[in-house]
Amino acid sequence: DTGVSQDPRHKITKRGQNVTFRCDPISEHNRLYWYRQTLGQGPEFLTYFQNEAQLEKSRLLSDRFSAERPKGSFSTLEIQRTEQGDSAMYLCASSLDIGSGASTDTQYFGPGTRLTVL
Amino acid sequence: AQTVTQSQPEMSVQEAETVTLSCTYDTSESDYYLFWYKQPPSRQMILVIRQEAYKQQNATENRFSVNFQKAAKSFSLKISDSQLGDAAMYFCASFAQGGSEKLVFGKGTKLTVNP
Repeated sequence: DTGVSQDPRHKITKRGQNVTFRCDPISEHNRLYWYRQTLGQGPEFLTYFQNEAQLEKSRLLSDRFSAERPKGSFSTLEIQRTEQGDSAMYLCASSLDIGSGASTDTQYFGPGTRLTVL
Repeated sequence: AQTVTQSQPEMSVQEAETVTLSCTYDTSESDYYLFWYKQPPSRQMILVIRQEAYKQQNATENRFSVNFQKAAKSFSLKISDSQLGDAAMYFCASFAQGGSEKLVFGKGTKLTVNP
């Protein structure tokens, strides 16, 4: 298993442009999480999926942000009309939840996508 | 709501010595898990150790061990025989089963290992 992968690793864009990031989780993992990390801070939760269903969204996730996981495998995070405040590291993590309180709960992280908005 | 507090922004240790990183947390859930993650400079977040709240025994993983004090809501990480490769940001995190199922992180502690 190659672990969680994210693409691109770095993205520089101009304010007002749209950007899309991709995350490929560990293959057998049914949960996929997106976090945002700004300099000097811990990651902050954005949203998560159980298979293809988006189960929770943070208030941090404004209307300009949308995430999808159409086939329950990879996920995309799109930011429309980017702002300078969107500059951050966007982290993806995956885990295996097998229900009945027997979830592994351990999330494994990808390398992140560093977004710079000029 | 869950909160995680790391009160030491930076720590340093001499190579081969032992260092303890502090973490306190708060949660209203009875079923939860606690984690320490390591994030080396410009590299990805790596799981260091995990503790189930229902287990009284402290978790250990080679040179890494935790001191889990449930009543005090304290979860410290001890690194023994520190190595240069241990230098990184260390994040404490909590996960509450059945509540808002997400990791809640502290602000991190930057660990420097001096040769």
